[in-house]
Amino acid sequence: NAGVTQTPKFRVLKTGQSMTLLCAQDMNHEYMYWYRQDPGMGLRLIHYSVGEGTTAKGEVPDGYNVSRLKKQNFLLGLESAAPSQTSVYFCASSRLVTTGWVDEQFFGPGTRLTVL
Amino acid sequence: GQQVMQIPQYQHVQEGEDFTTYCNSSTTLSNIQWYKQRPGGHPVFLIQLVKSGEVKKQKRLTFQFGEAKKNSSLHITATQTTDVGTYFCVPNSGTYKYIFGTGTRLKVLA
Repeated sequence: NAGVTQTPKFRVLKTGQSMTLLCAQDMNHEYMYWYRQDPGMGLRLIHYSVGEGTTAKGEVPDGYNVSRLKKQNFLLGLESAAPSQTSVYFCASSRLVTTGWVDEQFFGPGTRLTVL
Repeated sequence: GQQVMQIPQYQHVQEGEDFTTYCNSSTTLSNIQWYKQRPGGHPVFLIQLVKSGEVKKQKRLTFQFGEAKKNSSLHITATQTTDVGTYFCVPNSGTYKYIFGTGTRLKVLA
């Protein structure tokens, strides 16, 4: 099992450009998450998904869109990149244990994005 | 809304000393997870606490969940250089969102 993979690993964008980050998991997990981590900071939740075809906003959703067309994939889109979106982006997945909470989150290796 | 404080923000210890980080919530929690992130790496799950007053041990690591389910702690006995990293508490109040705390960055001096 590959676990959680993220594509690409690194990317440099110019202000105003768009891009999509891909997260894939092979553990059949229901829940998937996108976080961003700025230098020396904790992780902040951008968007999450509780199942195929459903998404919800996290703490810092502005400037990002997501889609979960297939259970194993969770895409994060930046329509018009800004320097404030320079960060490391982590994807995570977890299985549902019972209503209200989930099991441990498995994280991907991260995508380091720089917006000039 | 839920507010979580994790203290201290930074801790430098000599190898062999003990280390403790605390996580305090303003609201009652359903459960709490702890993660470790090595420098340049991604967060890795350590443990999940669910029950009031729960204590769990993993070798030199001891995790506690408060009786009121509003606070938690992670204690490392006799730190080693391999313990270096940032430790995050991730409390949950019964939703599907997990909000990471600011973390405690641990440095171990050999």
